[in-house]
Amino acid sequence: DVKVTQSSRYLVKRTGEKVFLECVQDMDHENMFWYRQDPGLGLRLIYFSYDVKMKEKGDIPEGYSVSREKKERFSLILESASTNQTSMYLCASSRKQVRGTDTQYFGPGTRLTVL
Amino acid sequence: AQSVAQPEDQVNVAEGNPLTVKCTYSVSGNPYLFWYVQYPNRGLQFLLKYITGDNLVKGSYGFEAEFNKSQTSFHLKKPSALVSDSALYFCAVRARGGGGNKLTFGTGTQLKVEL
Repeated sequence: DVKVTQSSRYLVKRTGEKVFLECVQDMDHENMFWYRQDPGLGLRLIYFSYDVKMKEKGDIPEGYSVSREKKERFSLILESASTNQTSMYLCASSRKQVRGTDTQYFGPGTRLTVL
Repeated sequence: AQSVAQPEDQVNVAEGNPLTVKCTYSVSGNPYLFWYVQYPNRGLQFLLKYITGDNLVKGSYGFEAEFNKSQTSFHLKKPSALVSDSALYFCAVRARGGGGNKLTFGTGTQLKVEL
């Protein structure tokens, strides 16, 4: 079974703090993704990575950065947290695209509250 | 640009009755289509996907979905609903041959199955 783990289930931070969200997958997947989930908006892609040290912006990258130093680990960084970044953050991974059929596997999510 | 519409925020159905969760999509060219389910305080779980071939796709937990190209729809169905099917369901689309591995998700439909 694919396992994607996220470092925290719940996190409370203050405005202006630097926040790190960690994601680890154990299936040697090339692709990793960060989404945020908000009621009524569904899932929106923040950043994704095709390989170590590679990253591409998703649909809503503003206010976020990412790091992928090892294949199994993909970190999301909020340089200066703001209240509008209060959300559920979901990490996912998938194999390298093979006819586009690869399935994304999700972690349990981190619910971040910024006060 | 690719997009997904889930026109119903919530679907209520009695246990034992058939259920349908609707999804329509917009994409350039032929699509890859996915359904995911999210139980409370959990990440997304993969249910099924359409790649090519048979328009009726069977997935986990007795769910199936029918791809209709002329109506650009991919509705999720189950012949007999269970209370345990109550969850949040997401439809997702990706265009073939482009867009990398980026999935676009709908806003989700809350399914409530009652006794």
